[in-house]
Amino acid sequence: IAGITQAPTSQILAAGRRMTLRCTQDMRHNAMYWYRQDLGLGLRLIHYSNTAGTTGKGEVPDGYSVSRANTDDFPLTLASAVPSQTSVYFCASSDSKGQGTDTQYFGPGTRLTVL
Amino acid sequence: GQNIDQPTEMTATEGAIVQINCTYQTSGFNGLFWYQQHAGEAPTFLSYNVLDGLEEKGRFSSFLSRSKGYSYLLLKELQMKDSASYLCAAMDSNYQLIWGAGTKLIIKP
Repeated sequence: IAGITQAPTSQILAAGRRMTLRCTQDMRHNAMYWYRQDLGLGLRLIHYSNTAGTTGKGEVPDGYSVSRANTDDFPLTLASAVPSQTSVYFCASSDSKGQGTDTQYFGPGTRLTVL
Repeated sequence: GQNIDQPTEMTATEGAIVQINCTYQTSGFNGLFWYQQHAGEAPTFLSYNVLDGLEEKGRFSSFLSRSKGYSYLLLKELQMKDSASYLCAAMDSNYQLIWGAGTKLIIKP
């Protein structure tokens, strides 16, 4: 593994189903993030984690949950998917020291369609 | 509120120079990032500015004016592979990135 991986690459999901998007990084970065990207809108932060064992809510957290049991993994769960959660989901990580130079590096994304 | 504005789309000619502008309003400021995103791919880091002035990195340069809440990305000697979306993002006082919607750059031969 080099960098950040996400799985699945794409998924079509029936409304009401539960879904977990996986994210793994091998850079030993302390901070990780989940974004969604929709046409015409900027990346919007869903949840983040500054370090293993802690998580925080971003701009659009409703309908999503995360966990950070260890440094490498940061799964995103949709408890009961709705069509408005159709989007491209990006996981990112950074070697965050609470400084402005905390560059975020992105995974390849998961394209999710909820019908 | 927090806001990032950048043009939706720009067109330029191969070999030419193009400037992509970005204005920002954030609660606190800890720097301005530019990312490149090719269609169907992840954003990749291009540049970071926190002090006023121009940062040059090969064919790409980025400028920041903190007093004006303004940045631009300058791309020189345009190549067809530069066709992509360019994302401007400002880091707020909580070290969270506020993202613009991106500028789609179309390069014509």
